[in-house]
Amino acid sequence: GAGVSQSPSNKVTEKGKDVELRCDPISGHTALYWYRQSLGQGLEFLIYFQGNSAPDKSGLPSDRFSAERTGGSVSTLTIQRTQQEDSAVYLCASMRQGITNEKLFFGSGTQLSVL
Amino acid sequence: SQKIEQNSEALNIQEGKTATLTCNYTNYSPAYLQWYRQDPGRGPVFLLLIRENEKEKRKERLKVTFDTTLKQSLFHITASQPADSATYLCALDIAGGGNKLTFGTGTQLKVEL
Repeated sequence: GAGVSQSPSNKVTEKGKDVELRCDPISGHTALYWYRQSLGQGLEFLIYFQGNSAPDKSGLPSDRFSAERTGGSVSTLTIQRTQQEDSAVYLCASMRQGITNEKLFFGSGTQLSVL
Repeated sequence: SQKIEQNSEALNIQEGKTATLTCNYTNYSPAYLQWYRQDPGRGPVFLLLIRENEKEKRKERLKVTFDTTLKQSLFHITASQPADSATYLCALDIAGGGNKLTFGTGTQLKVEL
């Protein structure tokens, strides 16, 4: 596809369950970012992948959160033992090279609701 | 601590007027600053990037200024239209690593007929 694709678009889960969110970046983009946006809040950085380098995990809020990027393309964000405060929109973005004089291309996000 | 501030109050203006949104940041001065537009239920969309050695950047009805002394960027939409109604976010590399954009909380703009 031409843009960043995220799935599912909506996910409703029960507290304590694990969830996986998927991101397909733009083909050829080496940098991939995950952000979280809570209702009425700004974007909170979670994790950043750049090529084969070790990911920058400095934004992950707890050890229940993890992410991987396989083959330098598709990424999966996993939240274990979900809590109600995890409810938010999870946005994925890709960038051609991963330097801040370039623009981010965002997906439409996954709306996660933890009941 | 380093942070980015945007006016959290919504901005309501009349069609045809110029909308001005503000982005202030503290401490580290970034080499680049970006502005994005976000519509409800969608991810942000890139609008403009301005470099630290550029005072002003224009694109159609949009104008961005960047004052590294004041640590402030202003985002202007001239001849505003109802279709310009959205949330506008500024983003910059506040950590200085050159590869991670931090976003402000955004300002919601509503252009009324």
